[in-house]
Amino acid sequence: AQSVTQLGSHVSVSEGALVLLRCNYSSSVPPYLFWYVQYPNQGLQLLLKYTTGATLVKGINGFEAEFKKSETSFHLTKPSAHMSDAAEYFCAVSDAGGYNKLIFGAGTRLAVHP
Amino acid sequence: DVKVTQSSRYLVKRTGEKVFLECVQDMDHENMFWYRQDPGLGLRLIYFSYDVKMKEKGDIPEGYSVSREKKERFSLILESASTNQTSMYLCASRPTATYEQYFGPGTRLTVT
Repeated sequence: AQSVTQLGSHVSVSEGALVLLRCNYSSSVPPYLFWYVQYPNQGLQLLLKYTTGATLVKGINGFEAEFKKSETSFHLTKPSAHMSDAAEYFCAVSDAGGYNKLIFGAGTRLAVHP
Repeated sequence: DVKVTQSSRYLVKRTGEKVFLECVQDMDHENMFWYRQDPGLGLRLIYFSYDVKMKEKGDIPEGYSVSREKKERFSLILESASTNQTSMYLCASRPTATYEQYFGPGTRLTVT
């Protein structure tokens, strides 16, 4: 069965520092991978996705993620954190069990301090 | 833009009450989903529907039921609310042949 592990439930960075949020997955078939962001009191918004093709994918707000099959990872990065990046981030993997469902990780809450 | 709306942002109910959470999407999506979100547990799938009047159990269906009488509307029902159903409930929809889901703003339900 597929699963998603997000290392670190809380990550804190300084404004202007590199953001790195880690995501590892298990899947028996080539996965589709997603990062969603949730700002306080809002629903989830798609940041970026990997389906096929180029393994480095760029998303909104300067975020990008790289699919590394050998490491079963899909880490999210941003070169320079902004205060507005403070939110909760969820990694998700496609469920090969049918119905095109997604399996979500537990989430990582990103804090950005001045 | 896809819009998914949920009937209430905040809801307070008493133990034993019957609770209806409504979700409406305006993009003619075939598939709709109900999740609950709890700290440290991420999103857990309660039920989903792939067509009108069709439904499938997710990972945690106990204590919940759903209704989909029209394509655009998907309702989550708590037959007899309990305190352990206090949570954030998120609705999502997606078109056929994709995985990308579009989420509503969520309903924070408190059962006292």
